[in-house]
Amino acid sequence: DVKVTQSSRYLVKRTGEKVFLECVQDMDHENMFWYRQDPGLGLRLIYFSYDVKMKEKGDIPEGYSVSREKKERFSLILESASTNQTSMYLCASRDRGTGGYTFGSGTRLTVV
Amino acid sequence: GQQLNQSPQSMFIQEGEDVSMNCTSSSIFNTWLWYKQDPGEGPVLLIALYKAGELTSNGRLTAQFGITRKDSFLNISASIPSDVGIYFCAGQTGTYKYIFGTGTRLKVLA
Repeated sequence: DVKVTQSSRYLVKRTGEKVFLECVQDMDHENMFWYRQDPGLGLRLIYFSYDVKMKEKGDIPEGYSVSREKKERFSLILESASTNQTSMYLCASRDRGTGGYTFGSGTRLTVV
Repeated sequence: GQQLNQSPQSMFIQEGEDVSMNCTSSSIFNTWLWYKQDPGEGPVLLIALYKAGELTSNGRLTAQFGITRKDSFLNISASIPSDVGIYFCAGQTGTYKYIFGTGTRLKVLA
């Protein structure tokens, strides 16, 4: 089974801090994604990467950046965390077979 | 922009009942996916649909790709307590990307 691992389940950070969320997948998938999940808004795409060193903005990229230096790792960076970035963050990689995503367990980030 | 309307938003049902939920859009999709998210976990893929009219089952779950390609349906038969969670539909918008519905929160009363 594909495994997508997010480094932290829960994080509490202060406003203005630089925050790194790490995601690793073990099945050699080219495509990886970062979503945030908020009640009533569903899953919204922040950034995605279709291959190493490649990245594209999703629907809500403001205040975020990403890094994909190795195929298995996709990092989401909050340059200066703000309280409106408090959310559940979900990383996913795309299975070429089904075309669907495999998600990690999520990181619940609270910015105080 | 593209939107997926998922309904109902939430439902409470008795154990043993059948459940139906759907997703509709003004856009045409080539692939529909259905996911389930347990509390505190990431979504897990339940069923993938690739062709208009396709009907696919996974145990007690059955999903259909609407003929118009603008909608999809998920049915759960004989619900059990572990069916509780949030069910998401997703439609493929590009080579790599999907748009997700806002979810149907299911609660099963024993």
